[in-house]
Amino acid sequence: QKEVEQNSGPLSVPEGAIASLNCTYSDRGSQSFFWYRQYSGKSPELIMSIYSNGDKEDGRFTAQLNKASQYVSLLIRDSQPSDSATYLCAVNVQAAGNKLTFGGGTRVLVKP
Amino acid sequence: DVKVTQSSRYLVKRTGEKVFLECVQDMDHENMFWYRQDPGLGLRLIYFSYDVKMKEKGDIPEGYSVSREKKERFSLILESASTNQTSMYLCASSRFGAGENEKLFFGSGTQLSVL
Repeated sequence: QKEVEQNSGPLSVPEGAIASLNCTYSDRGSQSFFWYRQYSGKSPELIMSIYSNGDKEDGRFTAQLNKASQYVSLLIRDSQPSDSATYLCAVNVQAAGNKLTFGGGTRVLVKP
Repeated sequence: DVKVTQSSRYLVKRTGEKVFLECVQDMDHENMFWYRQDPGLGLRLIYFSYDVKMKEKGDIPEGYSVSREKKERFSLILESASTNQTSMYLCASSRFGAGENEKLFFGSGTQLSVL
């Protein structure tokens, strides 16, 4: 089992809809969770971090964390074509010496 | 803004060559990292460093070494390049501290092709 898993997609959503991305992780001791966005041909950039169970909102983005079920989600409300990118889930894996481990990423396509 | 600069955007080398990838950051970050990114495999950590002259192996260190002689510079060395090291190499840096270590700032990447 991979330490951090994501559906590779592509996740196709119409403009204005909600895009829902999921990420599961295997290490129950993980404490820190991050979402990075990577446009095609560019490097990743941090868009969200979450540390506690529940929701964290930042503009059109909401991160959701459920440690009991070992998943973290990212919701993108009012999706725009400019949101088309690959979204990488990253987890601080305690069992790996607190190293940041990335999932394979979910490609999102927002269609006008 | 934090700037992480990688010396080359594209690099073509021959099998067996010694390859140096350079990375410089200008925000006085303690932590520096080297990742490679391959389709279907995501980002994988090669080496990282929390301080000058300090280095730690990541998940895939075989065939690589690193050097950190100054705080702002972290070099990745391919001792004898092989075709399976053809990849996108990403350098990143972060500030040391709880809640900060994992907030990575990435360079623009070096696409290395080994022929």
